[in-house]
Amino acid sequence: NAGVTQTPKFQVLKTGQSMTLQCAQDMNHNSMYWYRQDPGMGLRLIYYSASEGTTDKGEVPNGYNVSRLNKREFSLRLESAAPSQTSVYFCASSPWTQNYGYTFGSGTRLTVV
Amino acid sequence: RKEVEQDPGPFNVPEGATVAFNCTYSNSASQSFFWYRQDCRKEPKLLMSVYSSGNEDGRFTAQLNRASQYISLLIRDSKLSDSATYLCVVNGRNTDKLIFGTGTRLQVFP
Repeated sequence: NAGVTQTPKFQVLKTGQSMTLQCAQDMNHNSMYWYRQDPGMGLRLIYYSASEGTTDKGEVPNGYNVSRLNKREFSLRLESAAPSQTSVYFCASSPWTQNYGYTFGSGTRLTVV
Repeated sequence: RKEVEQDPGPFNVPEGATVAFNCTYSNSASQSFFWYRQDCRKEPKLLMSVYSSGNEDGRFTAQLNRASQYISLLIRDSKLSDSATYLCVVNGRNTDKLIFGTGTRLQVFP
């Protein structure tokens, strides 16, 4: 019953460093999402993948790239981290984009110094 | 104007109390409405969908008012375990992606 698994749970980066956040789901869901959550801002969509082989920008895509590696895995990459990217990142999945019963991972707390 | 607006609270209520939260949304074309619950430093979890005719799940009742573009959540007989942040969620403008409100924090005290 793993659901959505995110790694790492915590990360501290220096400005300019790169890293990849990993996300995997075992529910055979087609759609996957990356959100960031900041105080007072709510969850904001970064990128999503409606199905394997497709990715699209969300509300705040600048500074990020994604890869839908296969049906299970959807990674988020920060090529050159900036302090403004300090946030909590959540991966989510759903059976398809119009099924809104999203299942979220436990989050990655990222600090960029 | 934000697409989804909520009173951030906190709402501090004693055990057994009834508490209600409202949420307004700006997209009159939104068709799907939800309440998610988020515990401190945890991920959001779907609490319930909101249907046009209103719906109930145990102590929780959700209502939709399309004319005034708001949804509400009523919690009866509050428990300590209800302490959390409640996120109002709707599908976004010209998209089937979800838009999350910033949440209303509820604290239930003994």
